[in-house]
Amino acid sequence: SQTIHQWPATLVQPVGSPLSLECTVEGTSNPNLYWYRQAAGRGLQLLFYSVGIGQISSEVPQNLSASRPQDRQFILSSKKLLLSDSGFYLCAWTPPGQRKNTEAFFGQGTRLTVV
Amino acid sequence: DQQVKQNSPSLSVQEGRISILNCDYTNSMFDYFLWYKKYPAEGPTFLISISSIKDKNEDGRFTVFLNKSAKHLSLHIVPSQPGDSAVYFCAAINFGNEKLTFGTGTRLTIIP
Repeated sequence: SQTIHQWPATLVQPVGSPLSLECTVEGTSNPNLYWYRQAAGRGLQLLFYSVGIGQISSEVPQNLSASRPQDRQFILSSKKLLLSDSGFYLCAWTPPGQRKNTEAFFGQGTRLTVV
Repeated sequence: DQQVKQNSPSLSVQEGRISILNCDYTNSMFDYFLWYKKYPAEGPTFLISISSIKDKNEDGRFTVFLNKSAKHLSLHIVPSQPGDSAVYFCAAINFGNEKLTFGTGTRLTIIP
């Protein structure tokens, strides 16, 4: 069965410090991978998505970046965090290719507080 | 550009009655639409989905309706139960680029 792991669960970081959130998927190959952020009182904002190794699509210009160094690994990074980066970050995956049904599977999320 | 919109940020419904959550979209290229339920500090949980070639899909208490001409979908929950209280997100995916876009969410409160 497929599983998705996201860590850490909570993180408190000072302004200007770097960030690295990691997400890995098990039990599937070539998944589509996604990073979302839910800021206080707001919806799920798509930050980045990837359909393959090294292929990153950026949705929101900001000081965050994403990388996919391996097929089932998706990393969200920042060189210098801003207060506005605080939020709940979620990683998700969907099966690749055309399919009869679809569902996105989510990790448990990372609560990031920038202080 | 918000391609998937949920115009009602909150909704309160009496227990046992029908809850209707609405979602509008602007991109006619979406292939599939999904509904998710989310509790605070947790990842969203999948509820039900519908293909763009269908107009209705039912699963237990949950039914999703799709009106392509109006670019509108809705989730019906009947009967509503206290455990249904959560934030509900609609989402849409385009298989061409695999972009999965979520709406802003509606907080549903079921009143006992």
